[in-house]
Amino acid sequence: GEDVEQSLFLSVREGDSSVINCTYTDSSSTYLYWYKQEPGAGLQLLTYIFSNMDMKQDQRLTVLLNKKDKHLSLRIADTQTGDSAIYFCAESGDNQGGKLIFGQGTELSVKP
Amino acid sequence: DSGVTQTPKHLITATGQRVTLRCSPRSGDLSVYWYQQSLDQGLQFLIQYYNGEERAKGNILERFSAQQFPDLHSELNLSSLELGDSALYFCASSPRTTGGDYGYTFGSGTRLTVV
Repeated sequence: GEDVEQSLFLSVREGDSSVINCTYTDSSSTYLYWYKQEPGAGLQLLTYIFSNMDMKQDQRLTVLLNKKDKHLSLRIADTQTGDSAIYFCAESGDNQGGKLIFGQGTELSVKP
Repeated sequence: DSGVTQTPKHLITATGQRVTLRCSPRSGDLSVYWYQQSLDQGLQFLIQYYNGEERAKGNILERFSAQQFPDLHSELNLSSLELGDSALYFCASSPRTTGGDYGYTFGSGTRLTVV
């Protein structure tokens, strides 16, 4: 079945770049999303990439997609303490109907 | 405010009871999705409705059911509750049958505690 994997924890210093990685198994994935969840809050859509793209940049966020290796990454430039949260990678594709398949989430800790 | 409204925010109930969670999608969105988030299972897709019709089903227990009404709000009914049903339940919406370029907009969730 479909599967999305992420590393569970990442710790960086304020001002550094953060890179959160994700791998997925479904080759029919059409859209890949990054969501952010702060403590006690819902899921906030950060950005997405369509499967025919290699890269997408949105202010401090850069998404890289390697479709051959089914690898997705989210780079946050100049990471701030306010970026501390759990980041979820999710995919949707032709094989899943409308549903999103989520990774386990990566907890990003930003130290001052 | 994401535009997706979930009520109640918190719910504490006893084992064996039945509860109803409510979701109002973002204005203009026709699809509603229900997800369960727990520490051991992560975010699990339960069910999707599109314009009143069931569209996709995930690992939803037989004790759980949902529906989407003509005004597009949705309710998730959980019955014969067990301790293991304690979780955060999210509703999401999208304009069409998939998120596409618009993505999926999530509500802030209902935290269910079964005691």
